[in-house]
Amino acid sequence: DVKVTQSSRYLVKRTGEKVFLECVQDMDHENMFWYRQDPGLGLRLIYFSYDVKMKEKGDIPEGYSVSREKKERFSLILESASTNQTSMYLCASISGGRESGYTFGSGTRLTVV
Amino acid sequence: QQQVKQSPQSLIVQKGGIPIINCAYENTAFDYFPWYQQFPGKGPALLIAIRPDVSEKKEGRFTISFNKSAKQFSLHIMDSQPGDSATYFCAASNEGFQKLVFGTGTRLLVSP
Repeated sequence: DVKVTQSSRYLVKRTGEKVFLECVQDMDHENMFWYRQDPGLGLRLIYFSYDVKMKEKGDIPEGYSVSREKKERFSLILESASTNQTSMYLCASISGGRESGYTFGSGTRLTVV
Repeated sequence: QQQVKQSPQSLIVQKGGIPIINCAYENTAFDYFPWYQQFPGKGPALLIAIRPDVSEKKEGRFTISFNKSAKQFSLHIMDSQPGDSATYFCAASNEGFQKLVFGTGTRLLVSP
């Protein structure tokens, strides 16, 4: 069974900390995505990557950066965490046609205090 | 800027009822419209999808209706069951682009 694994289910960080959210997929997928999920706002795209070392800004990239040094791993970085970044973060990957659908991880619920 | 508008935000139906979730889009370049289902504690998973060259697609108890002229599409769940209780997201994407634009989600509760 294909998998997208997010390293932490819950995280609590302090304002101003640098935060790393890790995502690993075992499906050899080219495309990987980071979304945040907030009640009433749905899923909003932060960044995506279509190849190693390649990245593209999504709809809400401010305050975030990403790293993709290996095909299977896509990291989301909060350079200086703020309380408005408290959210559920979802990683997803896809390969080939859109009809195959995204495979999502189970999410990381980040609380910034 | 919400490119895909979804309603209602929440919905409660009795077992056997037919919940309907509606979505509307503005970008006429969108050519692929999936629905994702998310259970608590899990990531969303692809449920069913449609392209604008057809007006309806059915998979099991789930049906998408698509109205290209109105730029609207909807999900119908026939004979709904308590196990269908989940959050449903509509989405859309352009041809050649893998990234999806999601709606705001609908939390569905099917009571026994």
